[in-house]
Amino acid sequence: EDQVTQSPEALRLQEGESSSLNCSYTVSGLRGLFWYRQDPGKGPEFLFTLYSAGEEKEKERLKATLTKKESFLHITAPKPEDSATYLCAVQAGYNNNDMRFGAGTRLTVKP
Amino acid sequence: DAGVTQSPTHLIKTRGQHVTLRCSPISGHKSVSWYQQVLGQGPQFIFQYYEKEERGRGNFPDRFSARQFPNYSSELNVNALLLGDSALYLCASSPHGPSPAFFGQGTRLTVV
Repeated sequence: EDQVTQSPEALRLQEGESSSLNCSYTVSGLRGLFWYRQDPGKGPEFLFTLYSAGEEKEKERLKATLTKKESFLHITAPKPEDSATYLCAVQAGYNNNDMRFGAGTRLTVKP
Repeated sequence: DAGVTQSPTHLIKTRGQHVTLRCSPISGHKSVSWYQQVLGQGPQFIFQYYEKEERGRGNFPDRFSARQFPNYSSELNVNALLLGDSALYLCASSPHGPSPAFFGQGTRLTVV
């Protein structure tokens, strides 16, 4: 069965303290891996799509990378406004149209 | 440009009642998906519609149903509400197929 596991569950950083979030997956036929940011009480905000191992995407202080088994979301010099829950999702198989989400990593950046 | 819009934003229902949630996709997007998100968990897939046809169904009971209209908007219906149906219901749209998907703000459903 397809599985997506995110770690850590929660992460507290000081402003400027760089770190990485992990998303490990077990799927049959990965079609795409997605990163979203979600603020409390709101819908997820799309960040990145990665399609193949070795691919990297960047946006401001965020950089997403993908291997055959996991993806990392690197946060460089975070600011308090980066505090949110970061969700990873995979789309797999040739007849599946759903995205399977991990439980998310709750990031808090202290000033 | 308007994003995905969902209505209502909040809803309180009693056990056993029926509820209808509505979603308008981003203009030009023909695919709509519905997800349920329980507090502290990631969204869980319920349905996906593309060009008004059901293209995917998650592991939810038959009390959950959905449809897509000619203008690509969508409704999610839940019958015989249970306390466990309390969650944030998310609608997502995409231009073709289910990805990448852009989410609305969600409907917070509370069943009492």
